[in-house]
Amino acid sequence: GDSVTQMEGPVTLSEEAFLTINCTYTATGYPSLFWYVQYPGEGLQLLLKATKADDKGSNKGFEATYRKETTSFHLEKGSVQVSDSAVYFCAPNTGANSKLTFGKGITLSVRP
Amino acid sequence: EAGVAQSPRYKIIEKRQSVAFWCNPISGHATLYWYQQILGQGPKLLIQFQNNGVVDDSQLPKDRFSAERLKGVDSTLKIQPAKLEDSAVYLCASRKLRGRTENEQFFGPGTRLTVL
Repeated sequence: GDSVTQMEGPVTLSEEAFLTINCTYTATGYPSLFWYVQYPGEGLQLLLKATKADDKGSNKGFEATYRKETTSFHLEKGSVQVSDSAVYFCAPNTGANSKLTFGKGITLSVRP
Repeated sequence: EAGVAQSPRYKIIEKRQSVAFWCNPISGHATLYWYQQILGQGPKLLIQFQNNGVVDDSQLPKDRFSAERLKGVDSTLKIQPAKLEDSAVYLCASRKLRGRTENEQFFGPGTRLTVL
């Protein structure tokens, strides 16, 4: 079945630092790729997505590029803020039933 | 538009008791999902409905878990009897179309279940 490998967390950064969160996946077919975010006390929400190879998803200063050759979808942000503190989940979406497979998630804490 | 609604938000029960969770998806969304999120892990799909039919329940522990979506709108997930390892957040999500993987799933706030 499909699977996701996310880098081990938690990650603690100072405000304005550069962020990279690695994600690699195995999936049948040609998945769409998603990053979801879970802010403290809130539900999961879509951060960004990419639907085909070499597409770049972006939102709120975050970016991720669909790399089919390396089956990766790494999340980056040039300058993190305290408000970016949250849990981030990488998830490919595959199959006729459009099934999301989530990684373990990684907790990001940003210090002022 | 209103988001995915879930209730209750929190539930504490003792093992071997029964519990039910309710979900109302976004209006017009044909596909509904129930996920289980154990602390420190990503959500795991339990069951997926397309309208009122089950599309995927391969990871639903059917000896104790059941779910229904009788009129193709809201849905109920039940656990009977509950075990300690069922302590988790139960998330409901909905999606507009089936078969187009780029359409995002919209998640509700979840129900946090604690089994004592």
